[in-house]
Amino acid sequence: SQTIHQWPATLVQPVGSPLSLECTVEGTSNPNLYWYRQAAGRGLQLLFYSVGIGQISSEVPQNLSASRPQDRQFILSSKKLLLSDSGFYLCAWGHYPRGRGYTFGSGTRLTVV
Amino acid sequence: GESVGLHLPTLSVQEGDNSIINCAYSNSASDYFIWYKQESGKGPQFIIDIRSNMDKRQGQRVTVLLNKTVKHLSLQIAATQPGDSAVYFCADILPASNDYKLSFGAGTTVTVRA
Repeated sequence: SQTIHQWPATLVQPVGSPLSLECTVEGTSNPNLYWYRQAAGRGLQLLFYSVGIGQISSEVPQNLSASRPQDRQFILSSKKLLLSDSGFYLCAWGHYPRGRGYTFGSGTRLTVV
Repeated sequence: GESVGLHLPTLSVQEGDNSIINCAYSNSASDYFIWYKQESGKGPQFIIDIRSNMDKRQGQRVTVLLNKTVKHLSLQIAATQPGDSAVYFCADILPASNDYKLSFGAGTTVTVRA
């Protein structure tokens, strides 16, 4: 079966500390992968997407970076967190056009203090 | 920027009534539309989708209507239940290259009254 795993579920980090969030997909090959951020009570903002290993596209200039070291692994990182990096981070796997919709991970609640 | 937007940020509905959530999109080239449900603290959950060559699609208790003339999308939930309380997002995809980026609206918070 096809699944997506995202961890950790919650994270509290001090300003200036590094960040690494990991997302892995099972049951497929060469998926399109996405990182979204959701501020409290807001919609989802696309941060990065990847159509293959080592291929990363950034949607907005920011303090974050993404990497795809393996086909089914997508990592969101920061060298030094800012207070404004707080939010709900979601990894997603795009099935379209081969399938229907996008499957989202369970999300990581990041609080920068 | 966003290519889709929801008409109302909140909707209160009596349990058992039908709910209608509306969404407008701006790009006539949008090819594929999805409705998502997001419960508090969880990732969005796929509800139903529709391609641009269709006007209507039905699922279990849900119906999506697409009006390409006015670039309007709606989600109808029949016999709304307490478990339907959540934030609902519409999203669309532009058929550009192979990235198939999903663009989300701001969301409508649905509250079901007992």
